[in-house]
Amino acid sequence: NAGVTQTPKFRILKIGQSMTLQCAQDMNHNYMYWYRQDPGMGLKLIYYSVGAGITDKGEVPNGYNVSRSTTEDFPLRLELAAPSQTSVYFCASSYSGETWGRGDSYEQYFGPGTRLTVT
Amino acid sequence: QKEVEQDPGPLSVPEGAIVSLNCTYSNSAFQYFMWYRQYSRKGPELLMYTYSSGNKEDGRFTAQVDKSSKYISLFIRDSQPSDSATYLCAMGRFYFGTGTSLTVIP
Repeated sequence: NAGVTQTPKFRILKIGQSMTLQCAQDMNHNYMYWYRQDPGMGLKLIYYSVGAGITDKGEVPNGYNVSRSTTEDFPLRLELAAPSQTSVYFCASSYSGETWGRGDSYEQYFGPGTRLTVT
Repeated sequence: QKEVEQDPGPLSVPEGAIVSLNCTYSNSAFQYFMWYRQYSRKGPELLMYTYSSGNKEDGRFTAQVDKSSKYISLFIRDSQPSDSATYLCAMGRFYFGTGTSLTVIP
């Protein structure tokens, strides 16, 4: 099991450029998430998905788009990059279903992150 | 009011010390409480997971939940330099604390 993989590891973008951050998981998890992490600010949820074809906004969705055409993949698209999008981006996944007889499991498995700089 | 509050530290302790990390929360509906450990330049990894109130122990780590006070804690006994990391509390599906940076000095 590779777990959650993210590409690229690092990227420098110029203002106004676009790019897609890739995320894949091989654990057959139905939930997937995108977070950004800024120094001292913790993890902020950008978008999440409860399954293929279903996505929803998180706390900070502006400037980003997502799609989920398969269970395994959850790419994050940045359109018209801005310096405020300089951050470390983490993708995560979790399984929603009966776990230990207690219903949903909220344990999330994180990828290694993508460090993005917009200049 | 933020859903989850966590003291960012930084916290610096000598090797062998007992470490206490804490979070408070505002939503009394939270039932699932998690602690993640994040090493520098890595993704967070789940350390402890607790459902509802009470204590849970795993080796040198103890997670404690006090739902009446909306307060959760992580205790690390006999701290080691390898425990140096940022510790994030998390509740429900989306709510993370800002993380407490811990350094254990040999």
